Amino acid sequence: EAQVTQNPRYLITVTGKKLTVTCSQNMNHEYMSWYRQDPGLGLRQIYYSMNVEVTDKGDVPEGYKVSRKEKRNFPLILESPSPNQTSLYFCASSSLRLAGVEEQYFGPGTRLTVT
Amino acid sequence: AQSVTQLDSQVPVFEEAPVELRCNYSSSVSVYLFWYVQYPNQGLQLLLKYLSGSTLVKGINGFEAEFNKSQTSFHLRKPSVHISDTAEYFCAVSLYNQGGKLIFGQGTELSVKP
Repeated sequence: EAQVTQNPRYLITVTGKKLTVTCSQNMNHEYMSWYRQDPGLGLRQIYYSMNVEVTDKGDVPEGYKVSRKEKRNFPLILESPSPNQTSLYFCASSSLRLAGVEEQYFGPGTRLTVT
Repeated sequence: AQSVTQLDSQVPVFEEAPVELRCNYSSSVSVYLFWYVQYPNQGLQLLLKYLSGSTLVKGINGFEAEFNKSQTSFHLRKPSVHISDTAEYFCAVSLYNQGGKLIFGQGTELSVKP
Protein backbone atom coordinates (compact mmCIF):
# COMPACT_ATOMS: atom_id res chain seq x y z
CA GLU A 1 0.00 0.00 0.00
CA ALA A 2 1.31 3.43 -0.99
CA GLN A 3 1.80 5.49 2.11
CA VAL A 4 3.72 8.06 4.11
CA THR A 5 4.47 7.05 7.67
CA GLN A 6 5.48 9.28 10.56
CA ASN A 7 6.73 8.40 14.01
CA PRO A 8 5.92 9.09 16.71
CA ARG A 9 2.28 10.10 16.32
CA TYR A 10 2.23 11.85 19.69
CA LEU A 11 5.12 13.31 21.62
CA ILE A 12 5.33 15.33 24.82
CA THR A 13 8.76 16.66 25.66
CA VAL A 14 10.51 19.38 27.62
CA THR A 15 12.24 22.53 26.44
CA GLY A 16 15.72 21.92 25.12
CA LYS A 17 15.59 18.14 24.76
CA LYS A 18 16.58 17.19 21.23
CA LEU A 19 14.08 15.14 19.29
CA THR A 20 13.62 13.61 15.85
CA VAL A 21 10.40 12.91 14.01
CA THR A 22 10.84 10.31 11.30
CA CYS A 23 9.11 10.29 7.93
CA SER A 24 9.23 7.55 5.35
CA GLN A 25 7.50 7.02 1.99
CA ASN A 26 7.29 3.93 -0.21
CA MET A 27 6.31 5.57 -3.50
CA ASN A 28 9.80 6.41 -4.77
CA HIS A 29 8.89 10.11 -4.74
CA GLU A 30 11.61 12.66 -5.37
CA TYR A 31 9.95 15.41 -3.38
CA MET A 32 9.36 15.43 0.38
CA SER A 33 8.27 18.22 2.66
CA TRP A 34 7.50 19.06 6.28
CA TYR A 35 4.65 21.31 7.43
CA ARG A 36 3.33 22.53 10.70
CA GLN A 37 -0.37 23.17 11.21
CA ASP A 38 -1.54 25.76 13.71
CA PRO A 39 -5.13 26.99 14.24
CA GLY A 40 -5.97 29.92 11.98
CA LEU A 41 -2.65 29.71 10.14
CA GLY A 42 -3.24 26.71 7.90
CA LEU A 43 -0.20 24.68 6.91
CA ARG A 44 3.16 26.36 6.76
CA GLN A 45 6.09 24.77 5.02
CA ILE A 46 9.15 24.18 7.18
CA TYR A 47 11.63 22.48 4.84
CA TYR A 48 11.42 20.56 1.61
CA SER A 49 13.67 18.32 -0.43
CA MET A 50 13.71 17.90 -4.19
CA ASN A 51 15.89 14.79 -4.04
CA VAL A 52 18.60 13.05 -2.04
CA GLU A 53 21.03 15.52 -0.49
CA VAL A 54 18.95 18.47 -1.80
CA THR A 55 17.04 20.41 0.83
CA ASP A 56 15.73 23.95 1.07
CA LYS A 57 13.97 26.21 3.52
CA GLY A 58 10.25 26.79 3.47
CA ASP A 59 8.49 29.65 5.19
CA VAL A 60 9.21 28.76 8.83
CA PRO A 61 12.57 26.93 9.05
CA GLU A 62 13.88 28.52 12.27
CA GLY A 63 14.53 25.96 15.00
CA TYR A 64 14.35 22.96 12.66
CA LYS A 65 16.81 20.82 10.74
CA VAL A 66 16.29 18.15 8.11
CA SER A 67 18.40 15.68 6.18
CA ARG A 68 17.79 13.57 3.08
CA LYS A 69 20.37 10.82 2.95
CA GLU A 70 18.03 8.29 1.36
CA LYS A 71 15.20 8.85 -1.06
CA ARG A 72 12.54 7.30 1.16
CA ASN A 73 13.38 9.06 4.47
CA PHE A 74 13.16 12.69 5.50
CA PRO A 75 13.54 13.16 9.28
CA LEU A 76 12.72 16.41 11.03
CA ILE A 77 15.09 17.35 13.84
CA LEU A 78 14.45 19.82 16.64
CA GLU A 79 17.83 20.41 18.26
CA SER A 80 16.48 22.49 21.16
CA PRO A 81 12.67 22.48 21.15
CA SER A 82 10.80 25.42 22.60
CA PRO A 83 7.11 25.80 23.57
CA ASN A 84 6.36 27.79 20.40
CA GLN A 85 7.13 24.63 18.42
CA THR A 86 4.12 22.93 19.98
CA SER A 87 2.11 22.06 16.89
CA LEU A 88 0.75 19.38 14.58
CA TYR A 89 3.38 18.30 12.07
CA PHE A 90 2.81 16.69 8.71
CA CYS A 91 5.23 15.06 6.33
CA ALA A 92 4.30 14.79 2.66
CA SER A 93 5.78 13.38 -0.51
CA SER A 94 5.17 13.91 -4.19
CA SER A 95 6.48 13.21 -7.62
CA LEU A 96 7.83 16.20 -9.52
CA ARG A 97 6.62 17.56 -12.81
CA LEU A 98 8.90 19.53 -15.05
CA ALA A 99 7.65 22.82 -13.69
CA GLY A 100 6.65 22.04 -10.14
CA VAL A 101 5.24 19.81 -7.44
CA GLU A 102 2.48 17.35 -8.20
CA GLU A 103 -0.21 16.32 -5.74
CA GLN A 104 1.15 15.47 -2.33
CA TYR A 105 0.56 12.42 -0.17
CA PHE A 106 0.42 13.24 3.51
CA GLY A 107 1.39 11.28 6.56
CA PRO A 108 -1.03 10.93 9.49
CA GLY A 109 0.58 13.73 11.50
CA THR A 110 2.65 14.05 14.68
CA ARG A 111 1.22 16.04 17.54
CA LEU A 112 4.12 17.59 19.45
CA THR A 113 3.81 19.31 22.81
CA VAL A 114 6.83 21.11 24.28
CA THR A 115 6.51 22.11 27.95
CA ALA B 1 5.18 37.96 -2.55
CA GLN B 2 3.09 34.94 -3.34
CA SER B 3 0.12 34.19 -1.12
CA VAL B 4 -3.08 32.20 -0.90
CA THR B 5 -6.20 33.59 0.72
CA GLN B 6 -9.22 31.56 1.66
CA LEU B 7 -11.89 34.15 2.10
CA ASP B 8 -14.03 32.32 4.65
CA SER B 9 -12.63 30.71 7.78
CA GLN B 10 -15.93 28.98 8.57
CA VAL B 11 -18.86 28.04 6.35
CA PRO B 12 -21.97 26.58 8.01
CA VAL B 13 -24.49 25.05 5.63
CA PHE B 14 -27.50 22.76 5.77
CA GLU B 15 -27.44 19.28 4.32
CA GLU B 16 -28.31 19.08 0.59
CA ALA B 17 -27.62 22.80 0.09
CA PRO B 18 -24.99 23.97 -2.41
CA VAL B 19 -21.69 25.32 -1.16
CA GLU B 20 -18.81 27.39 -2.50
CA LEU B 21 -15.47 27.73 -0.73
CA ARG B 22 -13.46 30.62 -2.05
CA CYS B 23 -9.74 30.74 -2.78
CA ASN B 24 -7.71 33.56 -4.27
CA TYR B 25 -3.99 33.55 -4.89
CA SER B 26 -1.34 36.08 -5.68
CA SER B 27 1.61 35.03 -7.81
CA SER B 28 3.89 36.57 -10.38
CA VAL B 29 4.42 33.18 -12.05
CA SER B 30 2.14 30.46 -13.28
CA VAL B 31 0.89 27.99 -10.72
CA TYR B 32 -0.48 24.55 -10.15
CA LEU B 33 -3.57 24.63 -7.93
CA PHE B 34 -4.89 22.12 -5.44
CA TRP B 35 -7.70 21.58 -2.96
CA TYR B 36 -7.09 19.26 -0.05
CA VAL B 37 -9.54 18.02 2.58
CA GLN B 38 -8.78 17.19 6.20
CA TYR B 39 -11.36 15.17 8.12
CA PRO B 40 -11.27 15.43 11.92
CA ASN B 41 -8.12 13.92 13.42
CA GLN B 42 -6.76 12.84 10.06
CA GLY B 43 -4.12 13.90 7.57
CA LEU B 44 -4.83 15.73 4.34
CA GLN B 45 -5.97 14.09 1.13
CA LEU B 46 -6.29 15.50 -2.35
CA LEU B 47 -9.74 16.57 -3.52
CA LEU B 48 -8.78 17.88 -6.94
CA LYS B 49 -6.03 19.64 -8.86
CA TYR B 50 -5.48 21.97 -11.78
CA LEU B 51 -2.23 21.54 -13.68
CA SER B 52 -3.21 22.61 -17.20
CA GLY B 53 -5.98 22.24 -19.77
CA SER B 54 -9.66 22.63 -18.96
CA THR B 55 -10.28 25.24 -16.30
CA LEU B 56 -13.17 23.26 -14.81
CA VAL B 57 -11.78 20.47 -12.71
CA LYS B 58 -13.76 17.63 -11.17
CA GLY B 59 -12.61 15.87 -8.05
CA ILE B 60 -13.69 13.21 -5.62
CA ASN B 61 -16.95 13.18 -3.65
CA GLY B 62 -18.78 15.38 -6.17
CA PHE B 63 -16.60 18.46 -5.73
CA GLU B 64 -15.45 20.64 -8.59
CA ALA B 65 -13.42 23.82 -8.94
CA GLU B 66 -12.90 26.42 -11.62
CA PHE B 67 -9.60 28.09 -12.35
CA ASN B 68 -10.06 31.74 -13.27
CA LYS B 69 -6.74 33.16 -14.36
CA SER B 70 -7.91 36.77 -14.75
CA GLN B 71 -9.32 36.81 -11.22
CA THR B 72 -6.57 34.55 -9.83
CA SER B 73 -9.20 32.41 -8.16
CA PHE B 74 -9.83 28.70 -7.72
CA HIS B 75 -13.17 28.37 -5.94
CA LEU B 76 -14.43 24.97 -4.81
CA ARG B 77 -18.08 24.02 -5.28
CA LYS B 78 -20.48 21.22 -4.55
CA PRO B 79 -24.13 21.32 -5.63
CA SER B 80 -25.47 19.33 -2.67
CA VAL B 81 -23.48 18.65 0.50
CA HIS B 82 -23.75 15.76 2.94
CA ILE B 83 -23.08 15.56 6.65
CA SER B 84 -19.96 13.55 5.79
CA ASP B 85 -18.49 16.58 3.97
CA THR B 86 -17.91 18.26 7.33
CA ALA B 87 -14.16 18.85 7.34
CA GLU B 88 -11.49 21.49 6.87
CA TYR B 89 -10.60 22.40 3.31
CA PHE B 90 -7.28 23.83 2.17
CA CYS B 91 -6.39 25.56 -1.06
CA ALA B 92 -2.73 25.32 -2.13
CA VAL B 93 -0.50 26.54 -4.93
CA SER B 94 2.74 25.17 -6.32
CA LEU B 95 4.77 27.75 -8.18
CA TYR B 96 6.06 27.05 -11.69
CA ASN B 97 9.83 26.74 -11.87
CA GLN B 98 10.28 27.93 -8.32
CA GLY B 99 11.63 24.72 -6.90
CA GLY B 100 9.54 22.96 -4.33
CA LYS B 101 7.90 25.82 -2.56
CA LEU B 102 4.24 25.29 -1.75
CA ILE B 103 1.85 27.76 -0.21
CA PHE B 104 -1.34 26.80 1.60
CA GLY B 105 -4.31 28.94 2.52
CA GLN B 106 -5.45 29.27 6.10
CA GLY B 107 -8.20 26.70 5.67
CA THR B 108 -12.02 26.82 5.60
CA GLU B 109 -14.00 24.84 8.10
CA LEU B 110 -17.11 23.45 6.41
CA SER B 111 -19.82 22.46 8.86
CA VAL B 112 -22.82 20.64 7.41
CA LYS B 113 -25.90 20.58 9.62
CA PRO B 114 -28.93 18.28 9.30
